Amino acid sequence: AQSVTQLGSHVSVSEGALVLLRCNYSSSVPPYLFWYVQYPNQGLQLLLKYTSAATLVKGINGFEAEFKKSETSFHLTKPSAHMSDAAEYFCAVSGNAGGTSYGKLTFGQGTILTVHP
Amino acid sequence: DSGVTQTPKHLITATGQRVTLRCSPRSGDLSVYWYQQSLDQGLQFLIQYYNGEERAKGNILERFSAQQFPDLHSELNLSSLELGDSALYFCASSVVDRGPGNTIYFGEGSWLTVV
Repeated sequence: AQSVTQLGSHVSVSEGALVLLRCNYSSSVPPYLFWYVQYPNQGLQLLLKYTSAATLVKGINGFEAEFKKSETSFHLTKPSAHMSDAAEYFCAVSGNAGGTSYGKLTFGQGTILTVHP
Repeated sequence: DSGVTQTPKHLITATGQRVTLRCSPRSGDLSVYWYQQSLDQGLQFLIQYYNGEERAKGNILERFSAQQFPDLHSELNLSSLELGDSALYFCASSVVDRGPGNTIYFGEGSWLTVV
């Protein structure tokens, strides 16, 4: 079974400050990991994904995430927050070994990012 | 715009009724997924289809059913609706059904309110 834990349901930063959203995963097989963003009243947009190539993954809008197997983590960062980054962020995991899980995503509970001027 | 189209965008219905949510995947995508997003349960995987065949099943209630048609569009049928079924239902699609190429793209969702 796979699971994802996002530490902190709410994160608040000032504009221009570092954004750090934490995600830890549990998987019995090497995972594929994803970060999605959901703006108010919109669908989920893919920010970035890790598929066992480079451990540092760069995504859209200046976000990046680093896969750390020893820590079972995939934290999302952005050096300088913008007001437009305010949204809910979801970490997700899928297995890469078929079986009954196939490619479905298991999501964390989400982290709401607030950016203050 | 992800290319995944869902209809209707909003739906209000009464308890005990039946509704059908429709999804058109991105052009070329063979796999379709349904997810339910609610305040108390978060994002829950319901079911996955690949080229018309069921691939994986999650926490989908027996009152709910889905299918994927030969033209690859999918429908999620919700029956005997209860207040607790009120949620945002997402459809998503991907080219394949698993593996590193399996990037899943989400639609805007269908808001279901049961009154």
